[in-house]
Amino acid sequence: NAGVIQTPRHKVTGKGQEATLWCEPISGHSAVFWYRQTIVQGLEFLTYFRNQAPIDDSGMPKERFSAQMPNQSHSTLKIQSTQPQDSAVYLCASSTRDWGGCTGQLYFGEGSKLTVL
Amino acid sequence: SQWGEENLQALSIQEGEDVTMNCSYKTYTTVVHWYRQDSGRGPALIILIRSNEREKRSGRLRATLDTSSQSSSLSITAAQCEDTAVYFCATEMPNYNVLYFGSGTKLTVEP
Repeated sequence: NAGVIQTPRHKVTGKGQEATLWCEPISGHSAVFWYRQTIVQGLEFLTYFRNQAPIDDSGMPKERFSAQMPNQSHSTLKIQSTQPQDSAVYLCASSTRDWGGCTGQLYFGEGSKLTVL
Repeated sequence: SQWGEENLQALSIQEGEDVTMNCSYKTYTTVVHWYRQDSGRGPALIILIRSNEREKRSGRLRATLDTSSQSSSLSITAAQCEDTAVYFCATEMPNYNVLYFGSGTKLTVEP
């Protein structure tokens, strides 16, 4: 089992450019989560999918950020017109948790470090 | 924030010492997760405690949960250099599948 795979591991963009981050969850996991990690804000929840359907995007900035899960083997997080404050490590996690069911652990990828100059 | 603590805390201890990390939370929960994050890696679950357990042990780790005070603790006995990491507690509201993480404790174990 390769674990959750995130690409790229590092991305540097100029202000105003677009950044797309990819996540491949663990095979068979029904839920995929995106978090953002910074020194100041810590680990912030962004959005999550269950069985590819978007369930909760309450943590996503309303402008410029979007996430998709076109199939069960990958999810993307896209940031349009990147700003320096978007610089962070973006973490993807997958889980076997079911809606309203037993709490399952999150398996995190190693993250994508985004630097916006 | 669902959590009471707002800033990353830092602890530095000597190898062989015991250490306890605490966190408090604002909303009702039935389970607390503890994750550890090594430098350059994603967080990984190390212990999970449910409200009906009050205390949970795993090797040198001991977690407690006090739902009346809405707090949890993680203790490491006889800390070793490889325990150096950032430790996070996380919780969720019942029937709501999102985990919210505390600000974390950066633990450094020196030889």
